[in-house]
Amino acid sequence: KAGVTQTPRYLIKTRGQQVTLSCSPISGHRSVSWYQQTPGQGLQFLFEYFSETQRNKGNFPGRFSGRQFSNSRSEMNVSTLELGDSALYLCASSLVDNFYGYTFGSGTRLTVV
Amino acid sequence: KNQVEQSPQSLIILEGKNCTLQCNYTVSPFSNLRWYKQDTGRGPVSLTIMTFSENTKSNGRYTATLDADTKQSSLHITASQLSDSASYICVVRGDNTDKLIFGTGTRLQVFP
Repeated sequence: KAGVTQTPRYLIKTRGQQVTLSCSPISGHRSVSWYQQTPGQGLQFLFEYFSETQRNKGNFPGRFSGRQFSNSRSEMNVSTLELGDSALYLCASSLVDNFYGYTFGSGTRLTVV
Repeated sequence: KNQVEQSPQSLIILEGKNCTLQCNYTVSPFSNLRWYKQDTGRGPVSLTIMTFSENTKSNGRYTATLDADTKQSSLHITASQLSDSASYICVVRGDNTDKLIFGTGTRLQVFP
């Protein structure tokens, strides 16, 4: 079966712009989580969605937002981009919750210049 | 404070050699612990998941151990291959919570 699909794979944006990243979970998975990964910080939790509702949120500014659609696909939006937002953004899906772990996508590499 | 610490931060070994990566955690109460392998520029892939009652779990050349009393886990890689070059991330889930605590990973490089 298809894995977690993230698009686009690479993205270059300018400071001040906004960006939308997309994640299609494994078929049947209803939970989608987003993570930011930078070399110095490791994986940092952004938020989790389940059945179109945000279930958990990490400690990121309001410029980071997300949503989930009825087909479980999820989008993440970052407004007013800053240089420090350059990172690998990972999406992970699971059936219901993360008890038995996630399946991660390959990520979107965002570079802000 | 719930933390997961991994050591070493980086490791270089020769192809064919064995190595052991360490993970110490302070998460309490504890639910389960996972090891992920992450190739450069890719998403993490699950290697093993261990619950409180499990001491050892193997996945091919990867063997994870868990000592819940000392709150330590190790990942042993046998007969390393060039494809083992990656970051290995230890992740702990506390009991009665859905929060995952991530270690910062060990960067392993295997040279021929």
